[in-house]
Amino acid sequence: SAVISQKPSRDICQRGTSLTIQCQVDSQVTMMFWYRQQPGQSLTLIATANQGSEATYESGFVIDKFPISRPNLTFSTLTVSNMSPEDSSIYLCSGGRGDSYNEQFFGPGTRLTVL
Amino acid sequence: DAKTTQPNSMESNEEEPVHLPCNHSTISGTDYIHWYRQLPSQGPEYVIHGLTSNVNNRMASLAIAEDRKSSTLILHRATLRDAAVYYCILRGVAKLTFGTGTRLTIIP
Repeated sequence: SAVISQKPSRDICQRGTSLTIQCQVDSQVTMMFWYRQQPGQSLTLIATANQGSEATYESGFVIDKFPISRPNLTFSTLTVSNMSPEDSSIYLCSGGRGDSYNEQFFGPGTRLTVL
Repeated sequence: DAKTTQPNSMESNEEEPVHLPCNHSTISGTDYIHWYRQLPSQGPEYVIHGLTSNVNNRMASLAIAEDRKSSTLILHRATLRDAAVYYCILRGVAKLTFGTGTRLTIIP
């Protein structure tokens, strides 16, 4: 198993600013992912964080808005850039092995409010 | 990704079994059936997964239809701590695609 922590747990930010969210895993994982959960909604995958290379983004998400880094097998960051109130959501990271038959572990999420 | 269909909500009495259904008529032969749940104010947590055969673990059981077009998550004895949104997900690749899930309410 793996335990995932995120920093910060919550933040309130002003429109036009950027916030970087950190995700730390207590053991090495092959894959890391970033999700967004808008109020009252299900989770939507933003991107797959690839170690040492550019992240793979899902349709509707772009690198300029959500730059992602993954310098090693246990750490990743997601930046929400030039924020607007529509970016107010919970952002979650997850990790696990890449096999379709293995579980993923999720962090507790970062609750972001943009004023 | 193949799609799943779940009821939006269900209720169950405490200490009784709960059967959460999931339809996935377009499942492919290599898709694993995964169940996750999300307790209030927490990230999702893994519950169980299977491919063809029924599966049991300490949290739940997964019953998979013979044609694999549907499955049922079984909580044998629901407690108040089982109140959550339960997601049925078909996983053929590394990423998980979440649907809307079933919100389970446990009645004391």
